This record gives sequence, structure tokens and C-alpha cells, in this order.
Amino acid sequence: KNEVEQSPQNLTAQEGEFITINCSYSVGISALHWLQQHPGGGIVSLFMLSSGKKKHGRLIATINIQEKHSSLHITASHPRDSAVYICPVVGGADGLTFGKGTHLIIQP
Amino acid sequence: NAGVTQTPKFRVLKTGQSMTLLCAQDMNHEYMYWYRQDPGMGLRLIHYSVGEGTTAKGEVPDGYNVSRLKKQNFLLGLESAAPSQTSVYFCASSRQAERLFFGPGTRLTVL
Repeated sequence: KNEVEQSPQNLTAQEGEFITINCSYSVGISALHWLQQHPGGGIVSLFMLSSGKKKHGRLIATINIQEKHSSLHITASHPRDSAVYICPVVGGADGLTFGKGTHLIIQP
Repeated sequence: NAGVTQTPKFRVLKTGQSMTLLCAQDMNHEYMYWYRQDPGMGLRLIHYSVGEGTTAKGEVPDGYNVSRLKKQNFLLGLESAAPSQTSVYFCASSRQAERLFFGPGTRLTVL
């Protein structure tokens, strides 16, 4: 069973700061997702990665398959980025295994 | 396109009652998933399907059954609801190795 760990569990930052959220896993995977969930809201897929790096607007996601690690970066953070960020990994008999999420609060 | 829809949005059941949650997607996705989300536990995979007529167990399948008779629909059944099944249920779909698309969720309370 893949163990997925996210860090930090909680993060509070000021508007404009550069944010990094980390995701590590214990068993090799074929891909990793980054999801965003606003309080009381639905879940939006930000990225799906199997190697390298992807960028969309102020968001950048990277993955290092050998080190079993991925990071999500937010540049010029804004209060609307406040959400829970979740990284499910793809692989193994269970299909998808989720991290518990990182609760991010961006203060104005 | 409606994307991924879930029916119903809210439901209250008594212990022992049965119900079926419907997930529908209009994107011709092969993969469909059912998750539950509980405070402090994150999202956990209940069952998933990689194509019409196929289903597989996820992390927490006990007490649930699923069916994928049509490619666009993935049904989640609770035969005899228990209070431990009080949760928010999310459905998702995707093409293989592509982004996930989530439904809006179903809030289920079992008394």
C-alpha cells in the first residue's frame, strides 16, 4: 500500500508570498495529481504529472520520480488561493491513494 | 457539457435503509471513481471502474456495492446503511493518465 505524506499539514502566509507544498510517497507510481478544494466547495484538478514540471498561471508543479516526491508552488499568492491542496498518486491495486491534504490560508 | 453530476445532493437515511447514489459524466471517460471524505481522514477511494462492465475495490469498499452498466454512469449502493457511512461522497472521472474531473458531492447522513 502506498503511503502518501503531505507537508506542511497547515500553512498560513501573507498575500504575495511564494508558497511550496510537498507530497512524498513510498511506492513507485505512474502519475500524481494535484487537487484544490475550497471550504465547503467542490474539488478541482490542477495538474496531472508523470514526469518533469507543469505550469499554469501562478501555479507550478514538479515531480521527481526517483526521489518519490512532488511539489506544488504558488507564486504571488492571493487570498483566493486559500484552500485545501491534495495530492493523490496513481498506481497499485487501489487505483488512487490520497494524501490528507495541506490547509493553506493566505492572509491579505 | 454538464461534466460530472451527482444525484442526490443531500440525503438523510435511517440505519438499515438502502439507497443508490448516481454519478453521471458526459465526457466519454473510461475511468470513474467513488470517494468518501470525512473530517481528518481526507479522501478515501471506495470503488473504481476502468471501463463499462468493470469495477474494482478501493481502500474502503466494505458496506458498498457499485455497478457500471453504461459507460457514462457509475452507481454506488448502500444495502443497509450504518451511521459510520455518514460522509460526503464524491464521484470523479477521467481518461487514462489524464486529469480528474469531480462531481459536486453528495452529503449523506445516516441516523
